[in-house]
Amino acid sequence: SQQGEEDPQALSIQEGENATMNCSYKTSINNLQWYRQNSGRGLVHLILIRSNEREKHSGRLRVTLDTSKKSSSLLITASRAADTASYFCATDRNYGQNFVFGPGTRLSVLP
Amino acid sequence: GAGVSQTPSNKVTEKGKYVELRCDPISGHTALYWYRQSLGQGPEFLIYFQGTGAADDSGLPNDRFFAVRPEGSVSTLKIQRTERGDSAVYLCASSLLRGGTDTQYFGPGTRLTVL
Repeated sequence: SQQGEEDPQALSIQEGENATMNCSYKTSINNLQWYRQNSGRGLVHLILIRSNEREKHSGRLRVTLDTSKKSSSLLITASRAADTASYFCATDRNYGQNFVFGPGTRLSVLP
Repeated sequence: GAGVSQTPSNKVTEKGKYVELRCDPISGHTALYWYRQSLGQGPEFLIYFQGTGAADDSGLPNDRFFAVRPEGSVSTLKIQRTERGDSAVYLCASSLLRGGTDTQYFGPGTRLTVL
């Protein structure tokens, strides 16, 4: 069974708007990572947040982690058409072993 | 520098045949992962190597799947007696250290189609 579940499954917004995606997981984790995938190939790493961190920023990306709720969110500010992709959260339960991805959120940014 | 490469990029085979998929990780990366991704789904973990040894092969679906990494660099995923349900994109990733604590760098994948 999948550890992480992204929400929503699909999101469509206008260019310039902010996009928020959520990830929930079931068991305790060491780290949580967010990845982007274009056209079904080649995942690109976005951010890694450790279990003792609550928030991280990278450019237009902001990730939060709430271990008490077993959830994370990814915020993309001032979205661009190039941000159109699928976004996945991935959790590590045992220092790299059995790294588990969620089913992803498909983001469409309309020009 | 060069990223993770996978060959072939596409593989079409017939049911019952044997296939090998190759992954060349980033030089110096000790951890290597194989995943399988079906359309509309997230990557599904198959196996994780730390150096030459399989640290976790719990994701391999059955004994038709096998992977090796004999010299701690290149890895080959081997599928025997392929079935139509094996059709998917097979992704390889590598990381400098343990993948959970370190960024995983993904290859472009091999799209396997079993007819």
